Amino acid sequence: GENVEQHPSTLSVQEGDSAVIKCTYSDSASNYFPWYKQELGKRPQLIIDIRSNVGEKKDQRIAVTLNKTAKHFSLHITETQPEDSAVYFCAALFQKVTFGTGTKLQVIP
Amino acid sequence: SAVISQKPSRDICQRGTSLTIQCQVDSQVTMMFWYRQQPGQSLTLIATANQGSEATYESGFVIDKFPISRPNLTFSTLTVSNLSPEDSSIYLCSVAPDPGQGVGYEQYFGPGTRLTVT
Repeated sequence: GENVEQHPSTLSVQEGDSAVIKCTYSDSASNYFPWYKQELGKRPQLIIDIRSNVGEKKDQRIAVTLNKTAKHFSLHITETQPEDSAVYFCAALFQKVTFGTGTKLQVIP
Repeated sequence: SAVISQKPSRDICQRGTSLTIQCQVDSQVTMMFWYRQQPGQSLTLIATANQGSEATYESGFVIDKFPISRPNLTFSTLTVSNLSPEDSSIYLCSVAPDPGQGVGYEQYFGPGTRLTVT
């Protein structure tokens, strides 16, 4: 089955700096890669996604890139703000979704 | 997206008992899922709830322990049976309102049910 690895497990950045979270997947058939943000005690929220026919997608301060050949994809957050502090999960989908292990992002004011 | 509610939001149960969690969606959805999230961990798929037929369980999860019902396209229940402390976790339902025919589908989560087994 699919295996998704996510790094780093924790990440601290100064407010205003950029944050990058990286994921790799094992199943070359995976074709959809969503990212979820989960604040403490809240449900996971879909923040951005990318499909296998696209290499990059941007939505305001967040962007996702996909390298199908290398089977890895990354989340980029620019101009980080304290409200970006949360756990971020990547995921890969072929027939079902497999989640990464999560990255706890702390933005220091 | 879809508006998803779960009941109860939390419960404390004694070992050996069962808890049934309800998931209600404000619109008809094709795909519904049940996940478990243990403290500080990622999301693990328990099963896909199929309307009108038996749920499809993932490896490590069995129907006797996690019976699921899905009587219609807006509602599902998950029962966690014969509770033990190891079942203490957050259980989340999830829906994919528009799986479509193309590449991938967006998935949305309910608020979760926090279960503590004593």
